Amino acid sequence: DARVTQTPRHKVTEMGQEVTMRCQPILGHNTVFWYRQTMMQGLELLAYFRNRAPLDDSGMPKDRFSAEMPDATLATLKIQPSEPRDSAVYFCASGLVPPGQLSYEQYFGPGTRLTVT
Amino acid sequence: QKEVEQNSGPLSVPEGAIASLNCTYSDRGSQSFFWYRQYSGKSPELIMSIYSNGDKEDGRFTAQLNKASQYVSLLIRDSQPSDSATYLCAVNRRGYSTLTFGKGTMLLVSP
Repeated sequence: DARVTQTPRHKVTEMGQEVTMRCQPILGHNTVFWYRQTMMQGLELLAYFRNRAPLDDSGMPKDRFSAEMPDATLATLKIQPSEPRDSAVYFCASGLVPPGQLSYEQYFGPGTRLTVT
Repeated sequence: QKEVEQNSGPLSVPEGAIASLNCTYSDRGSQSFFWYRQYSGKSPELIMSIYSNGDKEDGRFTAQLNKASQYVSLLIRDSQPSDSATYLCAVNRRGYSTLTFGKGTMLLVSP
């Protein structure tokens, strides 16, 4: 049963600390997304990668957030320094985009619930 | 106008009834449409995708798409208490390879 995995599942940290979240996409998927979900804003796209190359990170606060995909099986989202307003659930999702197509299905991981005090 | 709009609910239906969830979108060039179910404290789970006008059925779920009117709906027949969740509508706009999500409609199915 292929699934997206994320670690850690929960993270409580103090303001100013660095937070790193990890995601393992479904094997064979070539597109990886990072989302943030809050009650107020709903699901927001932060960044996404295609074949490990960053395609769009316009949804991320550039000064403190960074996203990377060091290899096909690992995507990371880092916040440094963290702030209380970063408290949210962060989801990773992956999908397989067929050549020449834009439409495809995305599958979500279980999420990382981040609390910054 | 928001890109993808859903009534936040809650939509309350009795067990066994048909639940009807609606979603409107602003970009007329949108081409792919998805429904996700999200239980409280869990991640969104893809339940239906629809790409062309008309109905698409999968078990108790039917997705309906009307591109001329720019709406997509999800019907759940024989609703069960286990269907109680938030349902997210997601739209793939033409020229984009990302999805735009609505904020979801909460469905409550009472026994």
